[in-house]
Amino acid sequence: AQTVTQSQPEMSVQEAETVTLSCTYDTSESDYYLFWYKQPPSRQMILVIRQEAYKQQNATENRFSVNFQKAAKSFSLKISDSQLGDAAMYFCAYRRGSYNTDKLIFGTGTRLQVFP
Amino acid sequence: NAGVTQTPKFQVLKTGQSMTLQCAQDMNHEYMSWYRQDPGMGLRLIHYSVGAGITDQGEVPNGYNVSRSTTEDFPLRLLSAAPSQTSVYFCASSYRQGREEQFFGPGTRLTVL
Repeated sequence: AQTVTQSQPEMSVQEAETVTLSCTYDTSESDYYLFWYKQPPSRQMILVIRQEAYKQQNATENRFSVNFQKAAKSFSLKISDSQLGDAAMYFCAYRRGSYNTDKLIFGTGTRLQVFP
Repeated sequence: NAGVTQTPKFQVLKTGQSMTLQCAQDMNHEYMSWYRQDPGMGLRLIHYSVGAGITDQGEVPNGYNVSRSTTEDFPLRLLSAAPSQTSVYFCASSYRQGREEQFFGPGTRLTVL
């Protein structure tokens, strides 16, 4: 069975600095997708970034980028120029398959605090 | 589009009561799912559906039932509420392809006394 592990329950960063959130996963599949979701205090889940396993290039969305290491099964999120609005819970998630839908599996989350 | 809607937003039940959490989406998504979120445990999948008439169990299905009679609706039924079911419940939907973003509802905070 696939699993997703986030080993950092809490992280903190100074405004304008860079922080990296860790995520590892376990799977025997070769075709899958990885996601980072953000959950601010409003409780709304927001997609931050996604990575296709078949792509070697790391995904980037503005200040958010990932370091995808397929052999190591590692998928970390880097937030550059951190802003107060980045404070939230961040969840790493895994989903198998391309055309066949499968369930989305989440890690336990990392709470990010941003200090001014 | 309203996206994914959930009702109610808050609910208090007594042990043994039953209730249904409603979830609807207007994006014609084939895939719908229910999660519960508990402190320190992330989001755990309860049940999911890949289309009308098709449902399957997730990680923590005990004590919950689902059905999918239409593409739009995916209600979650608590058969006999227990304090261990106190949680925040999220409904989500997406297109079938694995790369597709899951759209989440606003959540329901359920307390079982």
